[in-house]
Amino acid sequence: QVQLVESGGGVVQPGRSLRLSCAASGFTFSSYPVHWVRQAPGKGLEWVAIISYDATNEYYAESVKGRFTISRDNSKNTLYLQMNSLKTEDTAVYYCARGQASYDFLTGYPFSGYYLDCWGQGTLVTVSS
Amino acid sequence: AIQLTQSPSSLSASIGDRVTITCRASQDISSAFAWYQQRPGKGPQLLIYDASYLESGVPSRFSASGSGTDFTLTISSLQPEDFATYYCQQFHSNPLTFGGGTKVEIK
Repeated sequence: QVQLVESGGGVVQPGRSLRLSCAASGFTFSSYPVHWVRQAPGKGLEWVAIISYDATNEYYAESVKGRFTISRDNSKNTLYLQMNSLKTEDTAVYYCARGQASYDFLTGYPFSGYYLDCWGQGTLVTVSS
Repeated sequence: AIQLTQSPSSLSASIGDRVTITCRASQDISSAFAWYQQRPGKGPQLLIYDASYLESGVPSRFSASGSGTDFTLTISSLQPEDFATYYCQQFHSNPLTFGGGTKVEIK
């Protein structure tokens, strides 16, 4: 079955770095865009980043732009999130999710974004001194 | 960024109740809209995509409607496993944005 498994979370001091991984299985990983979404303790969902199926395009939330880098290795069916210059406000559970495209039925044009049809269980990142 | 205002933020209901959650977008997003369920300690699960299409495997007691700026998720007869938090999401344009969530609790 379709599965996404995140790893790499932990406790890190402010200003330090951490790399998250997301291992995909049960589908053709190289055919889909994939996202990172995070959830601070007791809070709602915040989209973080997306990478296209072939890694030629990336897009980031303003809150992480310039500090986080999303990447993928399609030969290993794995997604990554390199997080640098971490701040206390980056503390959250980080989820990877598979993106699905859709179209405006009235115009026939594709929407710019994606809905997320498969999510991992998440990995907790705690930024604290 | 497109903002989504979800209401209510929480509600209490009994088994068998009909429950409705609404979400309003800050601009017209056509049908680029999804609903998710999140149980405690778990990742979100897709319920509805394209505003009204039921994801495979999701029980038929879940339904949704809307287009443009106003969207609704309905659970026709609340079951014990439906007590969770529900989120709306727009994918009309980047960045993807989510509503603040609705926590459905047992009365």
